[in-house]
Amino acid sequence: EAQVTQNPRYLITVTGKKLTVTCSQNMNHEYMSWYRQDPGLGLRQIYYSMNVEVTDKGDVPEGYKVSRKEKRNFPLILESPSPNQTSLYFCASSLWEGSPLHFGNGTRLTVT
Amino acid sequence: TQLLEQSPQFLSIQEGENLTVYCNSSSVFSSLQWYRQEPGEGPVLLVTVVTGGEVKKLKRLTFQFGDARKDSSLHITAAQPGDTGLYLCAGGLNSGGSNYKLTFGKGTLLTVNP
Repeated sequence: EAQVTQNPRYLITVTGKKLTVTCSQNMNHEYMSWYRQDPGLGLRQIYYSMNVEVTDKGDVPEGYKVSRKEKRNFPLILESPSPNQTSLYFCASSLWEGSPLHFGNGTRLTVT
Repeated sequence: TQLLEQSPQFLSIQEGENLTVYCNSSSVFSSLQWYRQEPGEGPVLLVTVVTGGEVKKLKRLTFQFGDARKDSSLHITAAQPGDTGLYLCAGGLNSGGSNYKLTFGKGTLLTVNP
């Protein structure tokens, strides 16, 4: 089954404790992206990757890192999480930038 | 500044009613996508429209792209409880060269009551 898999689905952590949210897709997509979704603010892009080893900032990249060492994986790293990063995070992939996105089921992160 | 405005923000209707939600912008888009997001899940693509004036139908859902490619609408006929969800529009903009920017609206939260 074609899918984007995120882990974990739920994560509660404390301020400053480094964490990684994994994302993997099995569709051989070139393009991958991370979004956060907050009430009243909608979906905002954090980082994206056009291909392996190519990443770029989205609209809200501060406090986040990503890497794209393999085509299928695109982890999101929070080196020192803060409470304002409490949010619902989505990973998405597509054939190329601009083609329809396939989203994962989300990771709900709470930073206390 | 919100590039894509969706209205209404919330909509609660009874089963069997018709409804229309709107996605408006001052920018011209090269394409526009509609997604539906159900609770606890990620958005799922419903349709992509690329030509000004284009109309696409998906069962009881009718999507229209404005002639000037600045706006779009989604009309649902005889809504059912299964249509409940957050409807998101996303406009694609070519910003030069190989750069392409997809911007999401904030969504319309639809509740269809049995």
